Amino acid sequence: GAVVSQHPSRVICKSGTSVKIECRSLDFQATTMFWYRQFPKQSLMLMATSNEGSKATYEQGVEKDKFLINHASLTLSTLTVTSAHPEDSSFYICSAASPSGGTRPGYFGPGTRLTVT
Amino acid sequence: AQKITQTQPGMFVQEKEAVTLDCTYDTSDPSYGLFWYKQPSSGEMIFLIYQGSYDQQNATEGRYSLNFQKARKSANLVISASQLGDSAMYFCAMSTIGSARQLTFGSGTQLTVLP
Repeated sequence: GAVVSQHPSRVICKSGTSVKIECRSLDFQATTMFWYRQFPKQSLMLMATSNEGSKATYEQGVEKDKFLINHASLTLSTLTVTSAHPEDSSFYICSAASPSGGTRPGYFGPGTRLTVT
Repeated sequence: AQKITQTQPGMFVQEKEAVTLDCTYDTSDPSYGLFWYKQPSSGEMIFLIYQGSYDQQNATEGRYSLNFQKARKSANLVISASQLGDSAMYFCAMSTIGSARQLTFGSGTQLTVLP
């Protein structure tokens, strides 16, 4: 099956610093990538949808100036958490979708666990 | 807007027995897909099974089957012959053509398989 990677898998940073998370589709071109966030013992919530070469679409309540998404190529999307705070500590998972997927969603990456101290 | 409801926060099943995890959904979009994912403690999302809204037959994938009752808007997951490795969180999810393949997730069910 299709492979999606995320880097780093785990990151600890100090409050006020920025963290970049990469999501790569390894064996297919992903025209659309989704970023989800999962707080402990909760479900996944969609943060934003990014299409290659265009601005990301953010879900209601997600600060676009805090969570910067760049989808500069068909195999790479990045999520940058700017000026991170402890409440941003969460599990961030990307999903990459190919153009031919129909109603099927993308393939998930393994996730990045962010801890802000 | 789509909504997925999972009413079982936790379930226990004896090893080798079958278990059903409940999922109901709501959408006004006539074309949609229903999914089940398994999330072990590592956090990765493992795709289990998919059911399209126009599929006539219930989906099956090995020990997993999806009991799709369209009129009742339910898409229950049945796991047969449970194994200890099945202990995990299970999420039901939906995507629609109208939502550009974004997934809406239910709250999840924590399944524990007892030896």
